[in-house]
This record gives sequence, C-alpha cells and structure tokens, in this order.
Amino acid sequence: TQLLEQSPQFLSIQEGENLTVYCNSSSVFSSLQWYRQEPGEGPVLLVTVVTGGEVKKLKRLTFQFGDARKDSSLHITAAQPGDTGLYLCAVSGGSNYKLTFGKGTLLTVNP
Amino acid sequence: DVKVTQSSRYLVKRTGEKVFLECVQDMDHENMFWYRQDPGLGLRLIYFSYDVKMKEKGDIPEGYSVSREKKERFSLILESASTNQTSMYLCAILKLGESYGYTFGSGTRLTVV
Repeated sequence: TQLLEQSPQFLSIQEGENLTVYCNSSSVFSSLQWYRQEPGEGPVLLVTVVTGGEVKKLKRLTFQFGDARKDSSLHITAAQPGDTGLYLCAVSGGSNYKLTFGKGTLLTVNP
Repeated sequence: DVKVTQSSRYLVKRTGEKVFLECVQDMDHENMFWYRQDPGLGLRLIYFSYDVKMKEKGDIPEGYSVSREKKERFSLILESASTNQTSMYLCAILKLGESYGYTFGSGTRLTVV
C-alpha cells in the first residue's frame, strides 16, 4: 500500500484554466510539503503545512491541509505555461527527518 | 539561501565501473540525503546522513555506499555499476525551522551501459 496517493497522475490543461491536485493518505502526519519539479531539475519546495485545516497561498497557488491531517490539496488559479511541472507531496515520519514522497502529478499547461 | 551542488549533470559509465556522485552544500546543515528518481516509481531514498561519519540506510541501499568525511560533502558510491542503476540521482539537505523541507541539487542523470 502506497503511503501517499497523488491524483490525478497526469493533467493537461489550457492556459487560464483552474485546477486542483490531491495528496491523500490513511495516515496522520505532523506536516506535509509540496514541491514542483521542472524537467531535468531537482524538486523545489513550494510550501510546508503543519496545522489541520491550514490554508496557505503563494500567488496563484492555494494549499490546504486537511482537518484530520491526512490529506492535502493544491489549487492553481489561471494556470500559466510556467506552472508546467511535476508536483510532488511529501511527508516526514519518525524522528530521523527522512521524507516519503508521493509519485506526483505531471501538469502540462498549454499556451 | 543554501545551495546544494551536484558535481555532474550527466554521466555515462560502463557496467562494473566504480562510480562516485558528489554532493556539496554551502551551509552547515547536518542532514543530507541521496534519492533516486525513476518513472513510475517516484523518489526512493538510498542513504542519508545526520552528521559527519554517520550514515543510515534508506529504502533501497543495495549496491550503494556513502561517505561523509566533512559536513559539507556527502558522496554516493556505486561499487560496481549495473544497468539497473541507470537513473536520476538527487541529493538533498534538510532545512529545519519555519521553512521546514528539503533543498535539492539539480540532479545527476546517470546512464550505465
């Protein structure tokens, strides 16, 4: 059983559309991170959420941590081609700081 | 902001060669990690280190070893490269505090032929 399930796996949309991607688990987490990875590069941290129900905004990106701290969503408003990339969620477990990643959502925004 | 530098962006090695992948950070972070990333499998943890000369196995350590002689440098070693080790290798450091999370290097795309 996968610790983190991300959906959808692939998403292709037109510039200007809105979208939401999801990260779900049956486990409770103390914190969750979202990363974006562009082709040929390492992932870049977008946000960390720690409180159940927390909502964080980063320009056109809105991140929400579920009330029960088992899931999270990322909403993008008016998507742009520069938003294209692989969106990964990650959680930490235990005391050794290692992160476990979901397999990601590959987003393509077409001009 | 911390910078994580991986020595090579692309490498091509022959089966059986010993391969060294280097990762250097420019700040004093204790926790460093090596992941590999493969299509359909996502990021998988190979090894991590929480201090100089300290190391722990991750989820897929077989065929790999690591070295951390200085705090800023964490090396991944493929003892005898095999074709199934063809992958994207990513080094990361962990930032604690308000911006808790990883800072990754740009990755090394390794091809073993």
